[in-house]
Amino acid sequence: QKEVEQNSGPLSVPEGAIASLNCTYSDRGSQSFFWYRQYSGKSPELIMFIYSNGDKEDGRFTAQLNKASQYVSLLIRDSQPSDSATYLCAGRVGGGSYIPTFGRGTSLIVHP
Amino acid sequence: DVKVTQSSRYLVKRTGEKVFLECVQDMDHENMFWYRQDPGLGLRLIYFSYDVKMKEKGDIPEGYSVSREKKERFSLILESASTNQTSMYLCASSWGTGGERPQHFGDGTRLSIL
Repeated sequence: QKEVEQNSGPLSVPEGAIASLNCTYSDRGSQSFFWYRQYSGKSPELIMFIYSNGDKEDGRFTAQLNKASQYVSLLIRDSQPSDSATYLCAGRVGGGSYIPTFGRGTSLIVHP
Repeated sequence: DVKVTQSSRYLVKRTGEKVFLECVQDMDHENMFWYRQDPGLGLRLIYFSYDVKMKEKGDIPEGYSVSREKKERFSLILESASTNQTSMYLCASSWGTGGERPQHFGDGTRLSIL
């Protein structure tokens, strides 16, 4: 079964630190990966997507994709209490699939 | 910006009722999806559609049906609501083929079945 795995956490970091969220996947053919942020009681919000090996930066967020090792990461620099949320990793696993597969999410807590 | 609109934020229904959840997107996306989300279980796909009048079962289609008569609208139907269908329901849309494009979610409908 093709899967996307995340540690459920919670990951607790102090304000101003770098938060590192990780995701592994089982299908070497996976091409596209997405990071969503979900606040409690709200819907997922897309924050980053990455298609190529390497790093992609957008403001305080950096997505990293390593296809050889089959993992994708999200780094949040200068973490703020407002970053406290659940972060969902999703990837297209399996050829021809219209549907990204979601991990169960990692809970991030940024404490002042 | 992509806008995915779900008809209700909160809905309370009784067991045995037929329930309709509506979703509309304004970006001409080909693909539309219905998920439910429960604590500890993550997002679970109920149905998706990649074109008008086309539908495919997801992981948990039992007890649900869908309708897509127009490209912008995707409806989820609970044929005879039961208490185990109490959940947060999320609609999403995306463009393109092959699952390579990100999904955009509506605000969700928190459905309670009494």
